[in-house]
Amino acid sequence: AQSVTQPDIHITVSEGASLELRCNYSYGATPYLFWYVQSPGQGLQLLLKYFSGDTLVQGIKGFEAEFKRSQSSFNLRKPSVHWSDAAEYFCAVLSGYSTLTFGKGTMLLVSP
Amino acid sequence: NAGVMQNPRHLVRRRGQEARLRCSPMKGHSHVYWYRQLPEEGLKFMVYLQKENIIDESGMPKERFSAEFPKEGPSILRIQQVVRGDSAAYFCASSPLREPNEQFFGPGTRLTVL
Repeated sequence: AQSVTQPDIHITVSEGASLELRCNYSYGATPYLFWYVQSPGQGLQLLLKYFSGDTLVQGIKGFEAEFKRSQSSFNLRKPSVHWSDAAEYFCAVLSGYSTLTFGKGTMLLVSP
Repeated sequence: NAGVMQNPRHLVRRRGQEARLRCSPMKGHSHVYWYRQLPEEGLKFMVYLQKENIIDESGMPKERFSAEFPKEGPSILRIQQVVRGDSAAYFCASSPLREPNEQFFGPGTRLTVL
């Protein structure tokens, strides 16, 4: 069965510092991978997605992610974090009849 | 172009009552998905529907929960005889095509069972 692991429940980063959020997946076939962001009390907004092709994917708000098949990873990165990036981030893999399997999320806190 | 709409945004029910959650997909989208987010948990898939068809309900609890997506009108997630453990945020998503595709999420309905 497919699964997604986000090993970090909370991460605190100083404003202006770089960010990397980890995501590992388990899926038998070619994975279709996503990163979503959720602000408190809000729905999920898609940051970026990987379907095929270039393993480095650019998304909105200056985020990027790199697909590494050998490590079953799809880590999210941003070179310089802004206070407005504080939110919860979810990694997901698409499987079955178009259903998303999510990780448990990583809460990003940004310190001044 | 309106996004996915869900109503109500907040719903309070007493134990034993029924909860009805509505989802209107984005214009042109014919696929609807329901997910549940429990406190300190990620989102869990519940059900996938197309118009008048349930495609995958493998994530739906066997009892008290049902979903529909009629030919006309919004998709409805219905929870009968709610219990406190049903308190959660329920998210609807829609997509225009079958896999692989991006799912667009609504703002969610936060159900509180007293």
